[in-house]
Amino acid sequence: AQSVTQPDIHITVSEGASLELRCNYSYGATPYLFWYVQSPGQGLQLLLKYFSGDTLVQGIKGFEAEFKRSQSSFNLRKPSVHWSDAAEYFCAVVGGGADGLTFGKGTHLIIQP
Amino acid sequence: GAVVSQHPSRVICKSGTSVKIECRSLDFQATTMFWYRQFPKQSLMLMATSNEGSKATYEQGVEKDKFLINHASLTLSTLTVTSAHPEDSSFYICSAIGLAGGLSYEQYFGPGTRLTVT
Repeated sequence: AQSVTQPDIHITVSEGASLELRCNYSYGATPYLFWYVQSPGQGLQLLLKYFSGDTLVQGIKGFEAEFKRSQSSFNLRKPSVHWSDAAEYFCAVVGGGADGLTFGKGTHLIIQP
Repeated sequence: GAVVSQHPSRVICKSGTSVKIECRSLDFQATTMFWYRQFPKQSLMLMATSNEGSKATYEQGVEKDKFLINHASLTLSTLTVTSAHPEDSSFYICSAIGLAGGLSYEQYFGPGTRLTVT
């Protein structure tokens, strides 16, 4: 069965500083990987996805993520965070197109002024 | 494009009653829809997968008689929580896969429904 681990439950970053959120997955073949962001009481917004090809993917809001097969990782990065980036971030994996997503437990991002 | 709506956004019901939540794909045909549940400050857990015109597939541990799912058309799936109890209070989110833009592996999420059972 596939699984996703987000080791950091909470991360606090100063506004303007760089950010990296970690995600490790377990899946037997090449997975399809996603990062979503959720503001309190809201639905999910897709930040970026990896299906195949270039292992460095660009997303919305200045986010990027790098797929590293050797490390089973798909870490999310942003060079300079803004106060509006404070939210819950979920990494997710799916093995096939018609399968439901398996989510990590999420990382709560706090932005310090 | 690829917008998914849910109705209602919030619902409060009394224990023992049933509640229906609708999930609609507004601008594409959804071949498959998914229902997730999210407890406060926790992650999303897949409850079931529904395909238009066929019975839903439930994840292990999800009571299919309590959470009735109907996917009667390519744009509508409903989740009915029957005989609701306070422990069913949660945030329910649906998603849909279609042929929007040819990205058949991308799920489009609805805004969620907050269910509170008193």
